[in-house]
Amino acid sequence: DVVMTQTPPSLSVAIGQSVSISCKSSQSLVYSDGKTYLHWLLQSPGRSPKRLIYQVSNLGSGVPDRFSGTGSQKDFTLKISRVEAEDLGVYYCAQTTHFPPTFGAGTKLELK
Amino acid sequence: VQLVESGGGLVQPGKSLKLSCSASGFTFSSYGMHWIRQAPGKGLDWVAYISSSSGTVYADAVKGRFTISRDNAKNTLYLQLNSLKSEDTAIYYCARDYSALFDYWGQGVMVTVSS
Repeated sequence: DVVMTQTPPSLSVAIGQSVSISCKSSQSLVYSDGKTYLHWLLQSPGRSPKRLIYQVSNLGSGVPDRFSGTGSQKDFTLKISRVEAEDLGVYYCAQTTHFPPTFGAGTKLELK
Repeated sequence: VQLVESGGGLVQPGKSLKLSCSASGFTFSSYGMHWIRQAPGKGLDWVAYISSSSGTVYADAVKGRFTISRDNAKNTLYLQLNSLKSEDTAIYYCARDYSALFDYWGQGVMVTVSS
């Protein structure tokens, strides 16, 4: 299985601060169709996960442009500019290029 | 889009349980669907997938014990859990597949395996 390594495991931030989360995969996530199936999800406290970014850098519907995703092959980053209170929770990267789909262990974003 | 899971509960090791996921707000028969679980305080763990044409795939940890199925007439996804183990204790989420992305998730249903 593809191992997804997220860092850091937790972040303590002030409202308005910018943060970055790293996600590295044990194999290239480029599929045979040329696309990279690396996604970011947010699980707010007590809620189910919701998709933020799909295929590395595409914002999901309704996701504010304070969120951005970059990366290629095995190395990916989620950036949140100007953190707001509603952004707090656990962020997961996920890959669906290879079977089975696998997730990072999560990065917990908390208020400083 | 709305996904609502049901059927969870407390069950003894070795017993069975059947989860349901009722879908609305989209053409259910046109989409593949996943089950994904989350053990208490832990991360996400993919369990099974069923395509729109009812092809299925499973995680190694549940292969031979769990069965995913769907009833397009009822807009409902199922997960039959047999030979349950304590390590199957988790919140079980159903999620819609869109272009290999889990784009919508249900609220989850808790399964506790304990004697």
